[in-house]
Amino acid sequence: ETGVTQTPRHLVMGMTNKKSLKCEQHLGHNAMYWYKQSAKKPLELMFVYSLEERVENNSVPSRFSPECPNSSHLFLHLHTLQPEDSALYLCASSQDMSTGELFFGEGSRLTVL
Amino acid sequence: AQTVTQSQPEMSVQEAETVTLSCTYDTSESDYYLFWYKQPPSRQMILVIRQEAYKQQNATENRFSVNFQKAAKSFSLKISDSQLGDAAMYFCAPTQGGSEKLVFGKGMKLTVNP
Repeated sequence: ETGVTQTPRHLVMGMTNKKSLKCEQHLGHNAMYWYKQSAKKPLELMFVYSLEERVENNSVPSRFSPECPNSSHLFLHLHTLQPEDSALYLCASSQDMSTGELFFGEGSRLTVL
Repeated sequence: AQTVTQSQPEMSVQEAETVTLSCTYDTSESDYYLFWYKQPPSRQMILVIRQEAYKQQNATENRFSVNFQKAAKSFSLKISDSQLGDAAMYFCAPTQGGSEKLVFGKGMKLTVNP
């Protein structure tokens, strides 16, 4: 069982759909992250949760809504997305926010039609 | 905002040879961390090596080593005895000033030729 698991691995949705991405970490970490990875661009930090509290929200549009019900699970709820939101969404976890060492999932490839 | 520059978007190396990946960054902090991450095709991004800015000694991890030049704000990664499994995207990522959030470069695609 991998340390950080993301589902689904691939998602295609229309602009009016509502879907969710799920991330689960089995490492006992206290911090979880959502990153957006687009081609030829640096990874963009979207949200950070530490001990289930959101500590970072980098001006992400409200059509992305994160949820962290406990320290092992992180969701990214998606609604009324735009085609430019198509990207690889990476979840990561870390022991805490002091080390900078992240453990990543394999990502969810999102395509918005 | 802090920027990280990986000037070479792609590189190739022959198997068993040595290759160096460059990275420069800007920061106003004196104490921070720097990381190289590797992302193989369709696989998870994993940590390759980590450097603490207050340490003068360059970090090494088996075939991977860094050349950290703090004054020049340069953090290059050297891969010795390259293997086919080293083929991946490589990302340089220093922590952002005042926090431990990582700032990633655009990445560099390394191809290893047999």
